[in-house]
Amino acid sequence: GQNIDQPTEMTATEGAIVQINCTYQTSGFNGLFWYQQHAGEAPTFLSYNVLDGLEEKGRFSSFLSRSKGYSYLLLKELQMKDSASYLCGSGGSYIPTFGRGTSLIVHP
Amino acid sequence: DSGVTQTPKHLITATGQRVTLRCSPRSGDLSVYWYQQSLDQGLQFLIQYYNGEERAKGNILERFSAQQFPDLHSELNLSSLELGDSALYFCASSVDGRGTGELFFGEGSRLTVL
Repeated sequence: GQNIDQPTEMTATEGAIVQINCTYQTSGFNGLFWYQQHAGEAPTFLSYNVLDGLEEKGRFSSFLSRSKGYSYLLLKELQMKDSASYLCGSGGSYIPTFGRGTSLIVHP
Repeated sequence: DSGVTQTPKHLITATGQRVTLRCSPRSGDLSVYWYQQSLDQGLQFLIQYYNGEERAKGNILERFSAQQFPDLHSELNLSSLELGDSALYFCASSVDGRGTGELFFGEGSRLTVL
């Protein structure tokens, strides 16, 4: 596996910005995914980073530093519907491997 | 709608029994991945198939087996079921089998073992 580590739970206020961090083992690294998963539903793709830097997609941005084995997902202008689990995953060794996910709770 | 279809959506069975979960990948996708998700665990990779051939194996128990058929649909067979096998089982598909890029997940099959 890729020894992916991310916080178990985070809380934030509607309208705010939240950053979810993820660290991973760098050996055999082959790209870093972020997925969103609402309770009891299928994970849905948010982003995939292969190169260092920040990629922005609307309210969501994802950052990667390959040398540090570090990524983060930045969510801006939080909405109640953003309450979900966010899964960090790595495509190392051609097997997409995921962390346990960060449960984000957005409150009014 | 991801285009990946899983059946059944819900399944309740007893310990010791055997079940088969079915997955139809997105049109054009050659690779199928199976994952298990329990309450206290993340997505655990079980096995991957690419164009009918097994490509990678994860933490899949010997009681579990899978295959991918010529029409690219896949089945996951779970036998001698135990209480701990209760989980959401997801199938995902992708165009290639390199583990890069986007995976498209089905809605999952929720298995309850009583």
